Parts: sequence; C-alpha cells; structure tokens
Amino acid sequence: GAGVSQTPSNKVTEKGKYVELRCDPISGHTALYWYRQSLGQGPEFLIYFQGTGAADDSGLPNDRFFAVRPEGSVSTLKIQRTERGDSAVYLCASSSSGGGGEQFFGPGTRLTVL
Amino acid sequence: AQSVTQLGSHVSVSEGALVLLRCNYSSSVPPYLFWYVQYPNQGLQLLLKYTSAATLVKGINGFEAEFKKSETSFHLTKPSAHMSDAAEYFCAVTRGNAGNMLTFGGGTRLMVKP
Repeated sequence: GAGVSQTPSNKVTEKGKYVELRCDPISGHTALYWYRQSLGQGPEFLIYFQGTGAADDSGLPNDRFFAVRPEGSVSTLKIQRTERGDSAVYLCASSSSGGGGEQFFGPGTRLTVL
Repeated sequence: AQSVTQLGSHVSVSEGALVLLRCNYSSSVPPYLFWYVQYPNQGLQLLLKYTSAATLVKGINGFEAEFKKSETSFHLTKPSAHMSDAAEYFCAVTRGNAGNMLTFGGGTRLMVKP
C-alpha cells in the first residue's frame, strides 16, 4: 500500500516569503507528526495531531509556524515570513495510534530559504 | 523531559566485522525506544523497537538491540556488517502514552569498508 507522501520534495524560496508543505499520511492513520531535520542533526519534533486537532504543538519554534489537518487526513505545515534558519528537511510521519505505535515517515520536503 | 545521546557521529567498520552503535537515553518515565535507519535521500525506516516486553529486541536486516535499564542504554548491534548497511542511524525515545512524539539522538553515520 501507499506510504506517507510529502509534496513538494524540494522547495526553494526567498527570505520573507510564505510556504506551505503538504503531508499525505497512510490511509486510516489517526496520528500525524511533523519533524524538522537540520543538516547533520537528528529530527526535532514540531507538532502532533490526533485526528483533526493539534494534541501537542510544543515543538513549533515560534508563531511563524502553523499546521492544520482539517479533515483528519492530509496536513499542511505553513511557514510565514521565512528566514534562512528555516532551511531544513521537514519530515512527516503517521501512525495508527498513539501509545508507542510505529511511526511511518515520509521522504521529507527539503526547504531552502535564500 | 527526555533526551538521547548517541556516542560517535561517525563509525567505520570493515565488511564482516561487528557493528556497535551506542545510544544512551534519559527519561522520567518508562521509555519506549526505537532505532531508525536513513538511507541517502530516503525517509526514516524503523529497524526495531523496545516497548517494555523482552529486553533483547531483534529487528530487520539482522540488527538487534538490548535495553539495559541500569545503564540507561539501548545499543544497536549486528554480528557481521554488510556494505548495504552503510547509512545514518538514529536512536529515539518516546513516553509511549499520551503525546508519543519521538525525541531523536544526533545520529551515527555508519561506513562499511570493503
């Protein structure tokens, strides 16, 4: 079956612009996570959805970052007024439940802010 | 709060030699522990996980890890390295109940020499 997909695979933007990154989770997975992986580092948690609601957004670095999951499936990570420090690979993962269940990761979106 | 430390950002072994990648964790609650592998330009793939059952966990591709509470460790091993094992390996911890976001270590790049 289809895994987690993310679009676009690469995004180049200019400082100050707005970007949207999309995640399509595995069908039926209720939990969805966003992580950010900077060069040479491990992924860092951003936000976790259980269904349509953000159950934990404690990892979002500031109010320029926002994510939605309006129908409990596809999620969009939105970054306003991008900064060069936002350049990273943004990873999405989904799982069938909370409780330590395996998270399945997408290939990521590589964001470059010039 | 939880944290993960991976000793050695780069490990080099000869083909056929033992692979040992080190992971130490800190957690205020009983942890769930994971090892993920990331091949170039691919998403994270789960190798194995510990969720409070057997302390010796066997995963895919001949890897295994042992949970040692007294040492707060979850080291990854493989008896005989193969060229195809060359990749980045990440250890991660989660609380295993509400939230379930993964906290990752910084990663270890495994290089396999012929």
